[in-house]
Amino acid sequence: QQPVQSPQAVILREGEDAVINCSSSKALYSVHWYRQKHGEAPVFLMILLKGGEQKGHEKISASFNEKKQQSSLYLTASQLSYSGTYFCGTEMPNSNYQLIWGAGTKLIIKP
Amino acid sequence: ETGVTQSPTHLIKTRGQQVTLRCSSQSGHNTVSWYQQALGQGPQFIFQYYREEENGRGNFPPRFSGLQFPNYSSELNVNALELDDSALYLCASSLAQNTGELFFGEGSRLTVL
Repeated sequence: QQPVQSPQAVILREGEDAVINCSSSKALYSVHWYRQKHGEAPVFLMILLKGGEQKGHEKISASFNEKKQQSSLYLTASQLSYSGTYFCGTEMPNSNYQLIWGAGTKLIIKP
Repeated sequence: ETGVTQSPTHLIKTRGQQVTLRCSSQSGHNTVSWYQQALGQGPQFIFQYYREEENGRGNFPPRFSGLQFPNYSSELNVNALELDDSALYLCASSLAQNTGELFFGEGSRLTVL
């Protein structure tokens, strides 16, 4: 049931782009994205609801393909502050509000 | 700063002991959920409380129990600690019963020896 995130880790130079994927084997109601820096609490990025929506948050955006049960997080022109581990949390229909989290994608941005 | 505070931040226990972790929600939030995060892994849902009632539970044994108080603060209790219980325990509060934005605390790091 745990969604699969890919890649597990990625190293970028400042200004480069990255895509992080989250795939589920189950039908999804929503996908949530969070970023966690080392030793800190996870911080909310965005929620995508079923319906194939796409959202943006400054230079970070995401899409949700309900039919493929996949979501992708896009980071454009990455900044040093984007470093951290990105988690997707998936919510299935009738799951009583439970979020099932992926194992995370570690993003390292170098100057 | 999310407004969610957890205590203690670090603690060490021995196998078989009991532990209580505490969480103060962000003001106005009536829903609290608890997660266990092993090193290098994503959070695992333990349970959720809404207005003092448990309304969702993950795949954790009954020795993991919780409470939510009238002021919406919360406790996580773990009895008969096992070595595998060593992890970061995260508390998250939210405005609504359905999953919206979660505001996480910085966690309680539990080490079981």
